[in-house]
Amino acid sequence: GQQLNQSPQSMFIQEGEDVSMNCTSSSIFNTWLWYKQEPGEGPVLLIALYKAGELTSNGRLTAQFGITRKDSFLNISASIPSDVGIYFCAGQLAGSARQLTFGSGTQLTVLP
Amino acid sequence: SAVISQKPSRDICQRGTSLTIQCQVDSQVTMMFWYRQQPGQSLTLIATANQGSEATYESGFVIDKFPISRPNLTFSTLTVSNMSPEDSSIYLCSVGEGNYGYTFGSGTRLTVV
Repeated sequence: GQQLNQSPQSMFIQEGEDVSMNCTSSSIFNTWLWYKQEPGEGPVLLIALYKAGELTSNGRLTAQFGITRKDSFLNISASIPSDVGIYFCAGQLAGSARQLTFGSGTQLTVLP
Repeated sequence: SAVISQKPSRDICQRGTSLTIQCQVDSQVTMMFWYRQQPGQSLTLIATANQGSEATYESGFVIDKFPISRPNLTFSTLTVSNMSPEDSSIYLCSVGEGNYGYTFGSGTRLTVV
């Protein structure tokens, strides 16, 4: 199946620092989504992107849909301890019936 | 967004047995999806379940092992059949709604011993 390359795999940052993670693919996507998953829970949608070049913010989170439609990034500004979790990118491939392909995840640890 | 109730939240099962996972949505949705998340891994789509038709399975997943029911627009079940320890995973249902919104249940953590 199609793969999304998500990086970094893990991050250890100090509280207050900014964070950036990204996903790339060789395939074209119609939609990019960013999720956060905490232990024992299902993924929770953070940001959805529908158009190439789109830049969307949700509080301290900002994500962009790459102009080539093959990549996306997520930035978290001024990190806080509750930002800890696994962040997944997910994309809906062009021509697919709305199934999502998930990246491998970025494990974020925020140190006080 | 839709609210999904998934149960059981966790179970420990003997190998060779089967477990049926239920997914209840608080609104009618056309498309429901079942995912597997193996320990420390990302999510992999098992199948897409549309009401009134057979589920569509992804490569590597078969109906005999993961039979799915979709009796109406608010409910679906996934059965993990003839379980082995390799089936130990988190199983998640998801609904696609609106334009491209996808909401997930809290998952079923399955351990096969």
